[in-house]
Amino acid sequence: DAKTTQPNSMESNEEEPVHLPCNHSTISGTDHIHWYRQLPSQGPEYVIHGLTSNVNNRMASLAIAEDRKSSTLILHRATLRDAAVYYCILRDGSTPLVFGKGTRLSVIA
Amino acid sequence: EAGVTQFPSHSVIEKGQTVTLRCDPISGHDNLYWYRRVMGKEIKFLLHFVKESKQDESGMPNNRFLAERTGGTYSTLKVQPAELEDSGVYFCASSPLEGGGREKLFFGSGTQLSVL
Repeated sequence: DAKTTQPNSMESNEEEPVHLPCNHSTISGTDHIHWYRQLPSQGPEYVIHGLTSNVNNRMASLAIAEDRKSSTLILHRATLRDAAVYYCILRDGSTPLVFGKGTRLSVIA
Repeated sequence: EAGVTQFPSHSVIEKGQTVTLRCDPISGHDNLYWYRRVMGKEIKFLLHFVKESKQDESGMPNNRFLAERTGGTYSTLKVQPAELEDSGVYFCASSPLEGGGREKLFFGSGTQLSVL
């Protein structure tokens, strides 16, 4: 079962930053925090992942709380193409990804 | 570089028939996963291959589902006989053998299976 808690939905204006929260209070020391997203009619797509330190890539930034019990995915400038369901997933070793309900992000032009 | 390819993209069959879904992972990826999403539900793990071996098949719903990965390359998922509740989108994903929970999974676009 998913070990993370995310809001069901969020809304953002186009070209505004978006902060998608995720709570994972039962995270273990070896759990990596992964974010995937699923655009309409497509398979899930990797966004970013981290262990302890904040991470940046071309798609997004991941801010991890010091106690690792929560994290925030940051999209710096939301576009219409970022409208998707975003999944925050804890993963230890080579265990399969366990998808929860995710957060449905709507982007308004 | 080609991504994960799934075939067919759509399949409509009648209850009791057999359907075989195919997944071609990214070349060189030893990990191959099958997932499915039944309408209105979350994406659920089905099974995991490492090369040609089944590493974890705990998510397979019942013995009507048979997955194979001969030679450690492409994989097939056969449903025989198909039931109405098997309808959904079946996703395949692959990743390199990296370990430690770090590796990214690359997903295909899925096969939409409709059992009538």
